[in-house]
Amino acid sequence: KNEVEQSPQNLTAQEGEFITINCSYSVGISALHWLQQHPGGGIVSLFMLSSGKKKHGRLIATINIQEKHSSLHITASHPRDSAVYICAVSPANTDKLIFGTGTRLQVFP
Amino acid sequence: DAGVTQSPTHLIKTRGQQVTLRCSPKSGHDTVSWYQQALGQGPQFIFQYYEEEERQRGNFPDRFSGHQFPNYSSELNVNALLLGDSALYLCASSSGTGKNFGPGTRLTVT
Repeated sequence: KNEVEQSPQNLTAQEGEFITINCSYSVGISALHWLQQHPGGGIVSLFMLSSGKKKHGRLIATINIQEKHSSLHITASHPRDSAVYICAVSPANTDKLIFGTGTRLQVFP
Repeated sequence: DAGVTQSPTHLIKTRGQQVTLRCSPKSGHDTVSWYQQALGQGPQFIFQYYEEEERQRGNFPDRFSGHQFPNYSSELNVNALLLGDSALYLCASSSGTGKNFGPGTRLTVT
């Protein structure tokens, strides 16, 4: 079993829909990251969380440390949100990242 | 302020050859980590450099080695390339809080 599991693996949506991507992990962590990867490979850091909730524009990330679970929400989705969204955790006392396999999101007009 | 830069962007090598990939961290970042991302997979941690020393290492063979220079830039070297080494190699820099990723180097081994 992977230490970081994401669901769903693939997600399609119509423009304007509310989207939720889930991440569960099995190790103790110091932080959880949500990342966005577009075709071609570049990774952009969206959020780094150690507790609670963060919001940036139409993106919201939450984390429940006790349940070892995090969600990424996208409100009013747009075709430009189409990308792979990756959850990654920093295990406690390390700076490395353990990545999930990603969720491929396609938003259609 | 430039973010993390990597070179080259793309590279094609033959089995058995050696390759060197380069990374310049974001200004102010002193820690560099390298990741290998095979097609359709999440990135896998190779190793991390801090103060010119390898601080942590993932589950990669000794064919993978690295170096960090006094200006915090870093190199990833892979010897005796295998077909399975074909992947996107990502560099990430950090300093305390937050991480920044480079655009990656796509290595193809034929």
